[in-house]
Amino acid sequence: EVQLVESGGGLVQPGGSLRLSCAASGFTFSGYWMSWVRQAPGKGLEWVANIKQDGSEKYYVDSVKGRFIISRDNANNSLYLQMNSLRAEDTAVYYCAREGRYCSGGSCFDAFDIWGQGTMVTVSS
Amino acid sequence: QSVLTQPPSVSGAPGQRVTISCTGSASNIGAGYDVHWYQQLPGTAPKLLIYGNSNRPSGVPDRFSGSRSGTSASLAITGLQAEDEADYYCQSYDGSLSGSGVVFGGGTKLTVL
Repeated sequence: EVQLVESGGGLVQPGGSLRLSCAASGFTFSGYWMSWVRQAPGKGLEWVANIKQDGSEKYYVDSVKGRFIISRDNANNSLYLQMNSLRAEDTAVYYCAREGRYCSGGSCFDAFDIWGQGTMVTVSS
Repeated sequence: QSVLTQPPSVSGAPGQRVTISCTGSASNIGAGYDVHWYQQLPGTAPKLLIYGNSNRPSGVPDRFSGSRSGTSASLAITGLQAEDEADYYCQSYDGSLSGSGVVFGGGTKLTVL
């Protein structure tokens, strides 16, 4: 079964750090771009960061640049998000998501086709 | 304030047809970037519903359809069912943003009356 399972969430004080993990199974993890997407309580989805198959390219939303680091371990089929200098506005459910490639009618598209169940991060004193 | 604008809520009776709009601008949908749609049932993770503007992944009923025109995209649901009650999000890319430019709409809550 194709699956993503996040872990590492919890309660942390402002300015603190947390490391999220995402364990992949059921597919060739090293063949896909991977992303972190978050959802604040009662709010919509926000893309946070993504990483290329071999880890050579990484991109971040402006609000987390310089504070969050995305990484991956293809040997262990794992994705990570190191979150530093956490702020109250980082409070959210964090999902890891696979960027799958779909082709139709001669065109190919990359979309978030597999999602984990999410892990809650609460930044509060 | 999301880059892509969706109505906060829509509603319809069972069996009816509803549409959800996703309005962008010249730097995202209007620039030709493709639109994907996701369905998020209460308390669950999002699920890919439509990819590449109008294509359904395997397993998604043909009651769901998507389209894109100009700076907007739409999701249509026909033969509305109680199980369709969920939040729906559009997603595209914005060339004016740094990084990968992935953007989501603010989401639309569908209520089945």
